Amino acid sequence: DTGVSQNPRHKITKRGQNVTFRCDPISEHNRLYWYRQTLGQGPEFLTYFQNEAQLEKSRLLSDRFSAERPKGSFSTLEIQRTEQGDSAMYLCASRFSLGGITEAFFGQGTRLTVV
Amino acid sequence: GNSVTQMEGPVTLSEEAFLTINCTYTATGYPSLFWYVQYPGEGLQLLLKATKADDKGSNKGFEATYRKETTSFHLEKGSVQVSDSAVYFCALSTDSWGKLQFGAGTQVVVTP
Repeated sequence: DTGVSQNPRHKITKRGQNVTFRCDPISEHNRLYWYRQTLGQGPEFLTYFQNEAQLEKSRLLSDRFSAERPKGSFSTLEIQRTEQGDSAMYLCASRFSLGGITEAFFGQGTRLTVV
Repeated sequence: GNSVTQMEGPVTLSEEAFLTINCTYTATGYPSLFWYVQYPGEGLQLLLKATKADDKGSNKGFEATYRKETTSFHLEKGSVQVSDSAVYFCALSTDSWGKLQFGAGTQVVVTP
C-alpha cells in the first residue's frame, strides 16, 4: 500500500484552458474527499464521494468544476476554463469508514498555477 | 457556521523548548477534533484526535485535550526537536461523512 497518490504533482496552465487531476486512494477506502488549499490557509472542503456516489459538494465548487469517481476507485477533478483564482494546491484524501471516526489519509497534492 | 481559529505563525523555538499552539473552535453539535501535521514536501498526516469532551489525544510526545467549556483543543509538546519543524493544522468534523474543517495552520520552526 503506497498511500494516496495524486497526479500530476504540478500543473501550469494558461487561463481558459481545462485541466484534470487524478487521485488514486488507498485501495478499499470507500470514502474520498477533495480539498483546495491556498497559500497561508488551511484546506477547504470541495467534494466527497462514498464509493462512486458524489454525496456532497461545497459552494466553492462552481459549475466549472466537476469530479467523478467511476467504479468507486480513482477519482478525477476537472476544472474547465481555468481562472487565475483557481491557482491553489488541490488535495485528495481517503478513508475507510462504516460510520465511525477513522483516519483520513492525504495525498501530496497537485499544485495548479494558472498564468 | 463552523470555524476553527488557531494562533498565527511562524512560531520559532529552540530545541527542547515547550511548544503550545492554541486552537479554538465554533461548531454546532459535538464535533470531533483533530491535529494534522504537514512536514516539508509531504502530505497532511493525522497527529492526534479527540472525539468527545475531556478526551486527551496524544502521539509522538504531542498532547491535546478537548475542552468543551472553552471550545479549545490546544496542542502541546514538552520538548521539541528540530524534526518537529512543520505546519500544524487544527481541524474539526461534525458529520458522519468525515468532512474536515481546518484552521489556517501554524508554522513551527525549531532551531538547534
